[in-house]
Amino acid sequence: DTEVTQTPKHLVMGMTNKKSLKCEQHMGHRAMYWYKQKAKKPPELMFVYSYEKLSINESVPSRFSPECPNSSLLNLHLHALQPEDSALYLCASSQAPQGPNQPQHFGDGTRLSIL
Amino acid sequence: AQKVTQAQTEISVVEKEDVTLDCVYETRDTTYYLFWYKQPPSGELVFLIRRNSFDEQNEISGRYSWNFQKSTSSFNFTITASQVVDSAVYFCALSEEAGANSKLTFGKGITLSVRP
Repeated sequence: DTEVTQTPKHLVMGMTNKKSLKCEQHMGHRAMYWYKQKAKKPPELMFVYSYEKLSINESVPSRFSPECPNSSLLNLHLHALQPEDSALYLCASSQAPQGPNQPQHFGDGTRLSIL
Repeated sequence: AQKVTQAQTEISVVEKEDVTLDCVYETRDTTYYLFWYKQPPSGELVFLIRRNSFDEQNEISGRYSWNFQKSTSSFNFTITASQVVDSAVYFCALSEEAGANSKLTFGKGITLSVRP
C-alpha cells in the first residue's frame, strides 16, 4: 500500500464544475508535489510546496489552484477545466528541504476526465 | 539543461528471461542523482533506487540490478528471471544539485511486458 493517499481515484467532471483533488501523507515529509501525466508520457511537474509554502509553479493555468492547509495535506482545486486537462494527477512527497537526493514517494493518482 | 533518454519504448519478453532497460543522461553538474521508478497499471510510481554521482558501485537487490557508468553517462537496470508482475512502465529520472528547488527530469519511460 502506498504511503501517499489520493482521493478520489477517479473523477469525471464537466467544464463548468468545481472539484478538488486531495492528497495526504503521514511520513513527516515537508515537501509535496503535484504532477500531471498524460497517457504514455512521463509525469510533468505542476507545483511544489516546501514547508507548506508554494516554491515552484511550472506556469500552470490558473484553473488549477493548489493549497497546502498543513504539513500532511495537499489539495488541488479545479475550476473551468478543458478536455485537454484529462489526465492522471499524481501527488508526491519527500523529505524537506527537497534536496535533489531525496526520493519522491508517489500516490496512486486521480484519473480525471473532463466532459 | 539536464536530459534523460530512454531509447527503448516497448520491450516484450517471456517469463524467466533477463531484460535490461537502458538509461542515458546528460547534465553539466558534477553532483547529481539518478533514480528508477516503476509504474504498474494501477498508476502509482514506485521508487526503486537512488544513486548519487559519486557512487559508481553497482547495486543488486534481489532480481534487480543497476549498472552506473559515468564514462558513458548511463544508468542501466537489469531484471533477472523476469516475472509477469514486472510488467509496468519504468522511468529513469535525474535530479541536479541546484539548490532548494531541485526538480526531477524523467525519461519517456519503457513499457515492459512479461508474457507467461
